[in-house]
Parts: sequence; structure tokens; C-alpha cells
Amino acid sequence: QQQVKQSPQSLIVQKGGIPIINCAYENTAFDYFPWYQQFPGKGPALLIAIRPDVSEKKEGRFTISFNKSAKQFSLHIMDSQPGDSATYFCAASIGNQFYFGTGTSLTVIP
Amino acid sequence: NAGVTQTPKFRILKIGQSMTLQCTQDMNHNYMYWYRQDPGMGLKLIYYSVGAGITDKGEVPNGYNVSRSTTEDFPLRLELAAPSQTSVYFCASRDRTLDGYTFGSGTRLTVV
Repeated sequence: QQQVKQSPQSLIVQKGGIPIINCAYENTAFDYFPWYQQFPGKGPALLIAIRPDVSEKKEGRFTISFNKSAKQFSLHIMDSQPGDSATYFCAASIGNQFYFGTGTSLTVIP
Repeated sequence: NAGVTQTPKFRILKIGQSMTLQCTQDMNHNYMYWYRQDPGMGLKLIYYSVGAGITDKGEVPNGYNVSRSTTEDFPLRLELAAPSQTSVYFCASRDRTLDGYTFGSGTRLTVV
């Protein structure tokens, strides 16, 4: 049973485009929603995170939009670059346990 | 500052063999975790620890064991390797006052 559902599985955009990755959850007790970026052969690295008391958070070209009533959150990458090509994971946490989405493979074409 | 160090990076095991995946962190983090990553399945929590001497099961603990004798080290033990344990294993740590994980670079394990 997947606690956090992520889509799409893969995404291809042109340089400068705005890829959007979506995640949905059921457990309303989750209180922290991070996004991780993973390059091939490396471990995931924290990219940006949000708590459910805010609807949006921006860090550089990365934005999280959070819809508490719909139990959904999404990652937007503005002005995407080929260097953004990676796998992105959303996650949700409660206490000491984090639950990850299945990942989205993003390719940004030059 | 090395962060989280995992060894080995790659390993091939035969069915029924045992091995220990090593994980060390130098950030004095209280919490440590072991995840496995399978294609299309995301990251699944195997075991975690909130401090030396304390461990607890995650989502997929069967076939694994852990120990936490020091703050720095959190080894993962496979006693009787099975093909279903073929995966990439990630160790992670975090400080109790911070939210995000620091992940190691992973161990790719193949059981044949």
C-alpha cells in the first residue's frame, strides 16, 4: 500500500520549460513534505520541503504548491535546465518515519 | 566533513550467504535509517534508530537485522541472502532538531 502516490513516472521537457510533478497522500497526520533530487549513482538529496500550514514555498527555481484540502502537493521547476535532469521523489513524514513516492525521472532536453 | 559513508558500493552475493552493509555518519545525528530502493517502487524503510541502543522496524524488515552500538555506526545485516534482496540500499541520518535526511551514496547488492 503506497502511502504517497507520485506522478508522472517520467517527464521530458525542453530547456526553459516548467515541469510539474504531483504527489497525493491519504494520512492527514503527515506534517512534513519534502522533495528529494537524485542523480544516477548518488543518494537522494533534500531539495525543498514544506509544512501543511503554508500553501506555497519557493527556493530559487523550485516551488512547492500544497493543497491541504485535496491532500496533494506538487513540485514546479521554473526555467528548467539540462542539469535538472534527475529523479525526483516526494515524501511525507509523521514522527520518525518518512514515506516516499515512487519517483519521477525528469529529462530536460537542451 | 564526510557526511554519511556506506561501504561497500557494490556487492554480489550467492543465495544463502550473509553480509553486513556498513554505514557511518560523522555529523553526530541521533536518527539513522536504512532504505532499499527498487525500480519503480521508491524508497522503502527497512529499519531505523533514534539513538544508540535503540532500533525499530520499518515497512520491510524481514530478512534483515540492525544494531546501533554507537551514535556513528548503523550496520545492516543480511543473514541468508535471497534474490528478493537484490536492490540498492541507502543509509540516511538526521538530527532530531532538523527535518531533512542526509543520505549516503548507496550500496548496490545483487543476490544470485
